[in-house]
Amino acid sequence: AQKITQTQPGMFVQEKEAVTLDCTYDTSDPSYGLFWYKQPSSGEMIFLIYQGSYDQQNATEGRYSLNFQKARKSANLVISASQLGDSAMYFCAMSRGGSQGNLIFGKGTKLSVKP
Amino acid sequence: NAGVTQTPKFRILKIGQSMTLQCAQDMNHNYMYWYRQDPGMGLKLIYYSVGAGITDKGEVPNGYNVSRSTTEDFPLRLELAAPSQTSVYFCASSFFRGSSGANVLTFGAGSRLTVL
Repeated sequence: AQKITQTQPGMFVQEKEAVTLDCTYDTSDPSYGLFWYKQPSSGEMIFLIYQGSYDQQNATEGRYSLNFQKARKSANLVISASQLGDSAMYFCAMSRGGSQGNLIFGKGTKLSVKP
Repeated sequence: NAGVTQTPKFRILKIGQSMTLQCAQDMNHNYMYWYRQDPGMGLKLIYYSVGAGITDKGEVPNGYNVSRSTTEDFPLRLELAAPSQTSVYFCASSFFRGSSGANVLTFGAGSRLTVL
């Protein structure tokens, strides 16, 4: 069965420092996608970054990068130069089966950025 | 460009009542989805649609029904509300060609439903 695991319920980081949020996944499909979404306290879901299973290079989007280690089945999110506005819940998700829209989500990690 | 619009934002239901959560998107997306988010948990897929007239069950469909008569609208119907359906409901949409590349979902703001 496909599964996403986020083992860090909560994380603290000092403003301007980098932080890594862990995500491991389990799937037997050769083709899949990995996503990270941010959910601020206001509740909306904001797409951050995507990595395809066949992508050779790690994805980057501004201050976000995805550390994709296929053999270890991990897709960690790295946020560089943390800002106070980065305080939020972060969800790792994986596309399910043949339809890339059917995402399965992890339980999330609550990131708190300290001034 | 409104994106994905959900109504209502908040609703309190009594056990056994029924209601419909409305969802509309103006981006001409072919895929639409309904997820629910229970406290402290990630999102779980209830139903999805790959186009008008086509719907399919997700992970947790029991107690819900959907229809997709137009590209824009994807209402979620709750029949005989139960306390277990207390949750935040998110509608989402995407444009997906079924080939390689990211199928990025655009989410609505969510609808908080409480069943007492």
